[in-house]
Amino acid sequence: DQQVKQNSPSLSVQEGRISILNCDYTNSMFDYFLWYKKYPAEGPTFLISISSIKDKNEDGRFTVFLNKSAKHLSLHIVPSQPGDSAVYFCAASTLNTGKLIFGQGTTLQVKP
Amino acid sequence: DAGVIQSPRHEVTEMGQEVTLRCKPISGHDYLFWYRQTMMRGLELLIYFNNNVPIDDSGMPEDRFSAKMPNASFSTLKIQPSEPRDSAVYFCASSPSGSQSYEQYFGPGTRLTVT
Repeated sequence: DQQVKQNSPSLSVQEGRISILNCDYTNSMFDYFLWYKKYPAEGPTFLISISSIKDKNEDGRFTVFLNKSAKHLSLHIVPSQPGDSAVYFCAASTLNTGKLIFGQGTTLQVKP
Repeated sequence: DAGVIQSPRHEVTEMGQEVTLRCKPISGHDYLFWYRQTMMRGLELLIYFNNNVPIDDSGMPEDRFSAKMPNASFSTLKIQPSEPRDSAVYFCASSPSGSQSYEQYFGPGTRLTVT
């Protein structure tokens, strides 16, 4: 009954290329989506978010796309850098609960 | 700002022992969350508090787990008795009320190993 799913446990890309991380959700009541990045031995840190009323949000090298009809969001990192190697979690929330539901995470490795 | 503080960072204990994890949220934050991270299930929300009151504990695995927030600057997660399957990294996070981005701030985590 996982409401937020990241079906790819890992992804490996070459430095300078695009990294695309995917996330699917089942609950149509989610109204806010976030991506977190986690390095080993550290807590997750916020990366970028998007409201359900938008379909794209961009912040530097990071862009999040939301396809509500498909209940799918993706994180694009362009260009990818070795320092981007980390575990990426997508998360979703419903209005006013303050509660986030996280996916299982995708480990990104960017090779020099 | 010191961020969310968790202690201990690492805990190794024997099955059957009581384990207490501690968290100090960021000052002024009204929400506090406890998560567990495992390879299989990723980050699972165990329980969260708003203004020191537990709001949703549906993620607490069983009665062996309990959490308290006696004041705005301190929370504990207790496992009694502990079992090997409780081995995981436990995170505490906090967030302010009215946060437009729903962003939560995580502590560094406590790695629990139950042998």
